Amino acid sequence: NAGVIQTPRHKVTGKGQEATLWCEPISGHSAVFWYRQTIVQGLEFLTYFRNQAPIDDSGMPKERFSAQMPNQSHSTLKIQSTQPQDSAVYLCASSFGNQDTQYFGPGTRLLVL
Amino acid sequence: GQQVQQSPASLVLQEGENAELQCNFSSTATQLQWFYQSPGGSLVSLLSNPSGTKHTGRLTSTTVTKERRSSLHISSSQTTDSGTYLCAIDDAYKVIFGKGTHLHVLP
Repeated sequence: NAGVIQTPRHKVTGKGQEATLWCEPISGHSAVFWYRQTIVQGLEFLTYFRNQAPIDDSGMPKERFSAQMPNQSHSTLKIQSTQPQDSAVYLCASSFGNQDTQYFGPGTRLLVL
Repeated sequence: GQQVQQSPASLVLQEGENAELQCNFSSTATQLQWFYQSPGGSLVSLLSNPSGTKHTGRLTSTTVTKERRSSLHISSSQTTDSGTYLCAIDDAYKVIFGKGTHLHVLP
């Protein structure tokens, strides 16, 4: 079991560019979560999928951020027109069911210059 | 919504000393976890302890649900314990994290 896989581990973009972050959940897990971690805000919930369906995106910034889960083996978080304040570590987690222990990936460290 | 407060924000110890980390949360949680985040960023669940006392290795967690607090005791600290310790509770399916205690263990 490789655990939750996130790629890339590090990404540097210029202001205004698009960034796509990838997550491969643990096989058999039906719930996938995205979180963002900054020094100021700490770790914050962004969005949640269950059986590939979007359930809650209440933590997602309303503009420029979107998440998809086209199949059970991967989810993407896309940030359009990146801004310096988007710089953060983006963590993906998966769990067997939505109330079960969440297993976290290593994160993608995004730096927007 | 749920809030989680952790103290101290940072802690420096000499190797061999014990550490006591505190977590207070704003309302009853059905799930409380302690996580360790390495300096490289990986997040690992250490203990799940919604109530009572749990031990694993050199770690002891005590949660008093009625008082909405939990503690994590690290005995005989080692330099490899350095990193950030995060307390987290559930809010339905979401995990709500505290801002962590940054622990630095000196050789």
